[in-house]
Amino acid sequence: DAGVIQSPRHEVTEMGQEVTLRCKPISGHDYLFWYRQTMMRGLELLIYFNNNVPIDDSGMPEDRFSAKMPNASFSTLKIQPSEPRDSAVYFCASSRNLGTSGGTDTQYFGPGTRLTVL
Amino acid sequence: GQQVMQIPQYQHVQEGEDFTTYCNSSTTLSNIQWYKQRPGGHPVFLIQLVKSGEVKKQKRLTFQFGEAKKNSSLHITATQTTDVGTYFCAGPGGSARQLTFGSGTQLTVLP
Repeated sequence: DAGVIQSPRHEVTEMGQEVTLRCKPISGHDYLFWYRQTMMRGLELLIYFNNNVPIDDSGMPEDRFSAKMPNASFSTLKIQPSEPRDSAVYFCASSRNLGTSGGTDTQYFGPGTRLTVL
Repeated sequence: GQQVMQIPQYQHVQEGEDFTTYCNSSTTLSNIQWYKQRPGGHPVFLIQLVKSGEVKKQKRLTFQFGEAKKNSSLHITATQTTDVGTYFCAGPGGSARQLTFGSGTQLTVLP
């Protein structure tokens, strides 16, 4: 089975440019998460979707960040305009509601996009 | 959401030595998950603990959930170079499907 797919794997851009990160979740998973990982702040949840609907975007750092999920198999995270402090690894993860008693659904991470903003 | 604190931040061990990382919460956790991230890789699920005092083993890895469900540990016996990576604990976040990740423990195994 294919795992979570992310593209591009690496992105180098200049400050002020628009950046679009893409994610294809595992088929059948109804939750999709966007994370950002940096040395300073660790792994932070930015936003997550359930059945293509954004549920919690409180982790989105500012208005320069936006995320969409037009269908069950595709999501984008856009940064416009990008700044050097946005440099990080961005992970997409997906999960499926298994209704585990007392548990939280396992999240499956994609390989990540390493973003460098010069 | 609940916050989980993880220690130590870094650990260097000689191959063959044991390793333990600890995860603590100020509030009761309904469950805790553990993930491993290899250098340059992505977090990969290892295990989930749900019951008070639960102990689970995966080969050389032993996972424990405290009786009060406020702490957890991961112990690796006789480390190998393949154990290198960062180990994260994760507790439930602000909603039923979210996870809040600890800061991770970066393990280096010296040959």
